[in-house]
Amino acid sequence: DTGVSQNPRHKITKRGQNVTFRCDPISEHNRLYWYRQTLGQGPEFLTYFQNEAQLEKSRLLSDRFSAERPKGSFSTLEIQRTEQGDSAMYLCASSFGPRVELFFGSGTQLSVL
Amino acid sequence: GQQVMQIPQYQHVQEGEDFTTYCNSSTTLSNIQWYKQRPGGHPVFLIQLVKSGEVKKQKRLTFQFGEAKKNSSLHITATQTTDVGTYFCAGRESGGGADGLTFGKGTHLIIQP
Repeated sequence: DTGVSQNPRHKITKRGQNVTFRCDPISEHNRLYWYRQTLGQGPEFLTYFQNEAQLEKSRLLSDRFSAERPKGSFSTLEIQRTEQGDSAMYLCASSFGPRVELFFGSGTQLSVL
Repeated sequence: GQQVMQIPQYQHVQEGEDFTTYCNSSTTLSNIQWYKQRPGGHPVFLIQLVKSGEVKKQKRLTFQFGEAKKNSSLHITATQTTDVGTYFCAGRESGGGADGLTFGKGTHLIIQP
């Protein structure tokens, strides 16, 4: 399967714990995006990378959130000191260049208890 | 910041009836994309519109981009049960360097056989 892969599919954690998600984009795609989606809402942009450079972060992104793409391939999204409001589906997407279609992964569903 | 609004939020139709969803942006867009998300699935790209007044068709689906590049619509002719899902529009603000797509909240299409 050469699609966008995300791990884990589900994560349950207690409030205050740190969590990390991984995204493996389509191999030839140089752009990687992180989105968050809550029930009944559209995906909300968090951040994106071109190769290993993080080019844009949403103003809504708390400083508890950090993302990396160290070698321009896979990416990780870490949430520190999780809060119940962080419960959501975290979607990763990749694209081949700017202003073209995004290919989404199946997401990581985070539940903060 | 940029806002993308979609109406209606929910649409119930009988199988075989037509369906239309409307998308409006608070700012002029450089392009607009449409995605479909099946229940329990992730967003899947349908189409991108770039030019003012552009109209594109995909079988029973017709997409339009407004002359002012601030609104768009998706029309489905003779709906089928396979059309069930949530349809999102997503746009990029014109003239900005930002590449993150802003999604609307989506229109949930429910089809009664």
